[in-house]
Amino acid sequence: QLQLQESGPGLVKPSETLSLNCSVSGVSMTNSFNYWGWLRQSPGKGLEWIGTIYYNGNAWYNSSLSSRATISVDTSKDHLSLQVRSVTAADAGVYYCARHVVETPMGAFDIWGRGTLVTVSS
Amino acid sequence: EIVLTQSPGTLSLSPGERATLSCRASQNLSRGSLAWYQQKPGQPPRLLIKGASKRATGIPDRFSGSGSGTDFTLTLSRLEPEDFAVYYCHQYARTPYTFGPGTRVDVK
Repeated sequence: QLQLQESGPGLVKPSETLSLNCSVSGVSMTNSFNYWGWLRQSPGKGLEWIGTIYYNGNAWYNSSLSSRATISVDTSKDHLSLQVRSVTAADAGVYYCARHVVETPMGAFDIWGRGTLVTVSS
Repeated sequence: EIVLTQSPGTLSLSPGERATLSCRASQNLSRGSLAWYQQKPGQPPRLLIKGASKRATGIPDRFSGSGSGTDFTLTLSRLEPEDFAVYYCHQYARTPYTFGPGTRVDVK
């Protein structure tokens, strides 16, 4: 059964870089042709799509982050990563990794991690 | 960017009643590229409906989705106690993918 688990520091200082990982278990990323996404949720902005990466490394981003986000995938370790540079208080929230449904490239998200809370404060 | 508007903001109903939730898109969603999710406190969103009307795996048939173009509806035919939650629509027709602000279904 596919499971996703986010991890990373819960507290980041303003102007620094937020780095999060998402461990994938129950499927080998090397052998699965999946699209993986990062999303976040905050009281002010609601649910927001950050970006999506294909298992081969091709990625698509939400321009609202002004090119501050980078998503990468390491199929040998079965995990994906997210970096958001120059964070501000507006980047605080719960961050999720999720899988796009298999039958529709970059379709709905059917499997979600439990999320990790990120606070931005000095 | 495609903006999704959900109505009503809050729906107060009793168990056993029917719930009708609306999602309107600012642009036509090709191929019915709309999904519905349910979210409870402290949990991630749970996929209910994809492709506007297809139930996701394991979703009870009291949940149904309909609509096309810019107007979509999620119907809960008979509310069970576990259905009181927040519901979001999500468009994946065009990037950036976007979500609606949610409809809260609470106990009357």
